[in-house]
Amino acid sequence: EPEVTQTPSHQVTQMGQEVILRCVPISNHLYFYWYRQILGQKVEFLVSFYNNEISEKSEIFDDQFSVERPDGSNFTLKIRSTKLEDSAMYFCASGRLLATNEKLFFGSGTQLSVL
Amino acid sequence: KNEVEQSPQNLTAQEGEFITINCSYSVGISALHWLQQHPGGGIVSLFMLSSGKKKHGRLIATINIQEKHSSLHITASHPRDSAVYICAAPISSGSARQLTFGSGTQLTVLP
Repeated sequence: EPEVTQTPSHQVTQMGQEVILRCVPISNHLYFYWYRQILGQKVEFLVSFYNNEISEKSEIFDDQFSVERPDGSNFTLKIRSTKLEDSAMYFCASGRLLATNEKLFFGSGTQLSVL
Repeated sequence: KNEVEQSPQNLTAQEGEFITINCSYSVGISALHWLQQHPGGGIVSLFMLSSGKKKHGRLIATINIQEKHSSLHITASHPRDSAVYICAAPISSGSARQLTFGSGTQLTVLP
């Protein structure tokens, strides 16, 4: 079965540094998402992306965050100046269609630790 | 408040037992996802359903749209089923894109 791949699996950074989390969605998918899960908490929606632009974003997704699909295969999440509270597992997901009966495919996550 | 609630929070079962995990939500939705999160953290989509019932192997998911309730059943449970099971639904904005997640059910199946 095709997979969504995320790199790196773990990222450690100093507070205030910029990080880029990378995702390669499934090749014929058109809709891309980032979610995060702070340790011990629920998974939370961050942003959805379609046709090279953000479709929806949550309150969490402030000016420190940005997403990009730079080369038609990668989908990246950038955090400009990391804060301690950005430490979480970040999941990328993709879907072929927008339809509500369409399954989402998740990557295995990037564990971000901000020190 | 738009929420997705799961029960139980933790569930321990003996191998072979029939397991039920429940999910309820506060507003009308068009579809609901059941996800499995492995101990390493990775998330696998199990089901996406908008009505009735779906079955895949030993897993069965049901949804009652009118009662705003869904259940995930595991028949003949096995230790490899041990994981966190999460339901999620697009309730916060009505959009298919913005899923709201339950807090998960930690299932442990003992041999």
